[in-house]
Amino acid sequence: AQSVTQPDIHITVSEGASLELRCNYSYGATPYLFWYVQSPGQGLQLLLKYFSGDTLVQGIKGFEAEFKRSQSSFNLRKPSVHWSDAAEYFCAVDSTGGGNKLTFGTGTQLKVEL
Amino acid sequence: KAGVTQTPRYLIKTRGQQVTLSCSPISGHRSVSWYQQTPGQGLQFLFEYFSETQRNKGNFPGRFSGRQFSNSRSEMNVSTLELGDSALYLCASMRAGGPDTQYFGPGTRLTVL
Repeated sequence: AQSVTQPDIHITVSEGASLELRCNYSYGATPYLFWYVQSPGQGLQLLLKYFSGDTLVQGIKGFEAEFKRSQSSFNLRKPSVHWSDAAEYFCAVDSTGGGNKLTFGTGTQLKVEL
Repeated sequence: KAGVTQTPRYLIKTRGQQVTLSCSPISGHRSVSWYQQTPGQGLQFLFEYFSETQRNKGNFPGRFSGRQFSNSRSEMNVSTLELGDSALYLCASMRAGGPDTQYFGPGTRLTVL
């Protein structure tokens, strides 16, 4: 069965510092991968997705992620974090080939120090 | 274009009762999925409906059920509520069969007392 691991439960960074959130997946075929962000009391907002093609994908709010098949990873990065980026971040993999059944990681809570 | 809407946003029920949650997808989206989010289990897939048919199902007991109407709106029902059913229930819609992206609503916060 497919699975997603986000090894960091909590991460604290200073505003203006760079950020990398880790995500590893286990899936037999070529995965469809997603990063979502959730602010307190809110639903999930899509940051970016990978279906195929260029392994470096750009998303909203200045985020990017790189798909590395050899490492089964899809890490999320941002060169300079803003205080408004404080939220919980979820990596997800689709197991159906259609994007309609997501398996989520446990999430990484990001705290930004001013 | 309006996003995914879920009603009600908050709900308090007692054990043994049943509850129905509603989800209106983005206009033109035909797939609706439901997820349960709890602090202990995280985000878990419940089921997905496409063109009024359940297409995918997660590992939840039969107390959890759903349906989709011809206008793509969806409802999920939980019967005989248990304390552990307290959660944020998220609905997500997608245009068609994929590969595509799910767009999430704000969720319904269910508290079971």
